[in-house]
Amino acid sequence: DTEVTQTPKHLVMGMTNKKSLKCEQHMGHRAMYWYKQKAKKPPELMFVYSYEKLSINESVPSRFSPECPNSSLLNLHLHALQPEDSALYLCASSQGTGVPGELFFGEGSRLTVL
Amino acid sequence: KQEVTQIPAALSVPEGENLVLNCSFTDSAIYNLQWFRQDPGKGLTSLLLIQSSQREQTSGRLNASLDKSSGRSTLYIAASQPGDSATYLCAVVGGGADGLTFGKGTHLIIQP
Repeated sequence: DTEVTQTPKHLVMGMTNKKSLKCEQHMGHRAMYWYKQKAKKPPELMFVYSYEKLSINESVPSRFSPECPNSSLLNLHLHALQPEDSALYLCASSQGTGVPGELFFGEGSRLTVL
Repeated sequence: KQEVTQIPAALSVPEGENLVLNCSFTDSAIYNLQWFRQDPGKGLTSLLLIQSSQREQTSGRLNASLDKSSGRSTLYIAASQPGDSATYLCAVVGGGADGLTFGKGTHLIIQP
């Protein structure tokens, strides 16, 4: 099983809402990632968790709050977002041991902020 | 800062042709290089991973090469099919950057 599952696939929220994106993998990977992708642009790294600890935060605004409850799950909590935060949010995982290995991505959550 | 460039930005060819997509990176101190495919509105599908110590990898009709010292990789697609139409992204790990650094992609259209 080389699958990374993301829910929801689509999300529409107002600027005052609080919502969460969820990501799950059952490959035994110990590194999980959040990427943001705007239309016709490459993905941009937001956060990296390694062994359930936040190891990289690419200067992402605090209205995005990641959480890694266990080695299989990764959440991205959203609060007071802006319309420019509308994008495809991609979760990925990799083995996370030693030299960085192959990354496996989910299908993404398409977020629209009104 | 690692920078990844993909050429061409777009390519349209008739079905059946063999084609080459190019990727270059500025810092050769990479751990590995990965090629992905992305269909419109979808996530990324991993095609091939080349470790820094390797020169090439093959999967079916796809062959990726890596010349680390010159900062270049190519993705060769043999006997192209309409189903190969997608955006192809090259990404590297290492070279002074955290996580993957992506190129902007090559938008490929295979004409039936």
